[in-house]
Amino acid sequence: EDKVVQSPLSLVVHEGDTVTLNCSYEVTNFRSLLWYKQEKKAPTFLFMLTSSGIEKKSGRLSSILDKKELFSILNITATQTGDSAVYLCARGGNRDDKIIFGKGTRLHILP
Amino acid sequence: NAGVTQTPKFRVLKTGQSMTLLCAQDMNHEYMYWYRQDPGMGLRLIHYSVGEGTTAKGEVPDGYNVSRLKKQNFLLGLESAAPSQTSVYFCASAWTGFEQFFGPGTRLTVL
Repeated sequence: EDKVVQSPLSLVVHEGDTVTLNCSYEVTNFRSLLWYKQEKKAPTFLFMLTSSGIEKKSGRLSSILDKKELFSILNITATQTGDSAVYLCARGGNRDDKIIFGKGTRLHILP
Repeated sequence: NAGVTQTPKFRVLKTGQSMTLLCAQDMNHEYMYWYRQDPGMGLRLIHYSVGEGTTAKGEVPDGYNVSRLKKQNFLLGLESAAPSQTSVYFCASAWTGFEQFFGPGTRLTVL
């Protein structure tokens, strides 16, 4: 079955902590793995990963893809209250151009 | 540039009524998507389009129809609304590489 599974489903940490969010998938041949941040409204794009083992970074956020083990992680270092959001992972098009999302990880940062 | 816009922002329907949600993008994107988001369910793909005049089914297409008569517009129709279709609907568009840009969402309630 074509699933994207995110873990944990929710996470509460204190400001300054480092968090790792996980995303696993089942389809082996696809074009991209995507990460989004969703606060109160529409998701906003964070990263697109197409190659295994190459880390992408943006400030305190980083992500990497492992195509052999079929997972990706999103790391956030020195968390801030503004990082509180739902983080969504999606696997991009296979032969059918669908983009399938996981259920998301709800992250809450305590001050 | 307005990006991706959705009309209407809110709507309340009675069971059995029909309606059309409009998504418009001004970025000349080929790909357009309709998702629904329910609590704890992430984003689920309803239908998508890879170009003008084309449409395809996503994960949860039953009860919905779509049309892409013009490249910039993607319409989502509910022919006979049911309470199970109460949800927040997001439209997204993408060029290549599957970095999606999302609209602000439509909150639909079916009584």
